[in-house]
Amino acid sequence: TQLLEQSPQFLSIQEGENLTVYCNSSSVFSSLQWYRQEPGEGPVLLVTVVTGGEVKKLKRLTFQFGDARKDSSLHITAAQPGDTGLYLCAGRSSNTGKLIFGQGTTLQVKP
Amino acid sequence: NAGVTQTPKFQVLKTGQSMTLQCAQDMNHEYMSWYRQDPGMGLRLIHYSVGAGITDQGEVPNGYNVSRSTTEDFPLRLLSAAPSQTSVYFCASSRAGGLYYGYTFGSGTRLTVV
Repeated sequence: TQLLEQSPQFLSIQEGENLTVYCNSSSVFSSLQWYRQEPGEGPVLLVTVVTGGEVKKLKRLTFQFGDARKDSSLHITAAQPGDTGLYLCAGRSSNTGKLIFGQGTTLQVKP
Repeated sequence: NAGVTQTPKFQVLKTGQSMTLQCAQDMNHEYMSWYRQDPGMGLRLIHYSVGAGITDQGEVPNGYNVSRSTTEDFPLRLLSAAPSQTSVYFCASSRAGGLYYGYTFGSGTRLTVV
């Protein structure tokens, strides 16, 4: 059973559009991380959010952590073809470092 | 700085064969984990370790064994391969002691069991 549910699972948009990916959990995690994965490679960390209500920005990417620390969102403004990839959210436990992933969102940005 | 190194990159096994996927990291990270990735399933945790001599089961441990005799190495053993174990396997490592630390992943091993 996946503890983290991501939606949508697949997103295909035109260059310049905005999009939001959601990550919802049935459990509270000590922190929540977002990774991006390109074909043939391992995931790469984008950001970590720890505090309920926290908002972090990484250029055109905005990450939010819900007040109850059970959900998160990733918003991309003016998407570009270089944003194409698999986006994964993951919940991390504080005492074991155990990291559990959602099923991922495949993003395709067409020129 | 090599990071996390996984070998082999590709492997084909026959049902019932055994093999070991190797994983080594040179960052002195305390935490190490093994994941498998299947289409539409994201990454599922197989086993993880918080330090040398300490391992624990993840979400999908059946059919896999691990041991961690050194900080650097965390091999994953398939004792009797089954077609259901066809997948891409990723090893990852992280520093301990902080919620902000992310995991560094290897480039994966693509395993096919026929």
